[in-house]
Amino acid sequence: QVQLRESGPGLVKPSETLSLTCTVSGGSMNNYNWNWIRQPPGKGLDWIGNIYYSGNTNYNPSLQSRVTISLDTSKNQFSLKLSSVTAADTAVYYCARENWHYGMYAFDIWGQGTEVIVSS
Amino acid sequence: DIVMTQTPLSSPVTLGQPASISCRSSQSLVHSDGNTYLSWLQQRPGQPPRLLIYKISNRFSGVPDRFSGSGAGTDFTLKISRVEAEDVGVYYCMQATQFPLTFGGGTKVEIK
Repeated sequence: QVQLRESGPGLVKPSETLSLTCTVSGGSMNNYNWNWIRQPPGKGLDWIGNIYYSGNTNYNPSLQSRVTISLDTSKNQFSLKLSSVTAADTAVYYCARENWHYGMYAFDIWGQGTEVIVSS
Repeated sequence: DIVMTQTPLSSPVTLGQPASISCRSSQSLVHSDGNTYLSWLQQRPGQPPRLLIYKISNRFSGVPDRFSGSGAGTDFTLKISRVEAEDVGVYYCMQATQFPLTFGGGTKVEIK
């Protein structure tokens, strides 16, 4: 079955760029949308943005100026870059597949999440 | 942005008893294509979220039938007919009708 796994540094210094990769295994990336979501400690879920298999992206306006999501279907990966990070960006970062088949438009598969701490 | 408001914040429930969670959106979630993209997710302690319900009332594969969703427009409800110990966790509603996608603040289900 399809699985997602986030990877990247667990510690990032303030003002630097957070870079994470989500590796998709067990299936193709084609014909799905690929999302990043984060969860600050003890808080709820925040959508960061997504990328369609076509390469089109959508970002949360609250982060748009600092976010880039890219896709590498040859490696079955998609990536998140968040620039100029502050302590407020400390969170568990999840990648998730958005399944629009049969009109679902729901996040049916999630990675386990990776914790990123922003600290000097 | 569409604001999703969940109530209650916490729901202590006796095993075997029902639980109900409400989710209200700040504007209608009916998409221009006529569908309503409201889903429910469960997050058990220390786990990633898991999809339970999509498009208001459709149970995702493998989800027990004690979970059901209902509602329309701006008001939605997730019901657990008989709470089991494995249902402990935080439940989120989420809308995918309009960007940015948004989540409710979460409702914690715990056993009395």
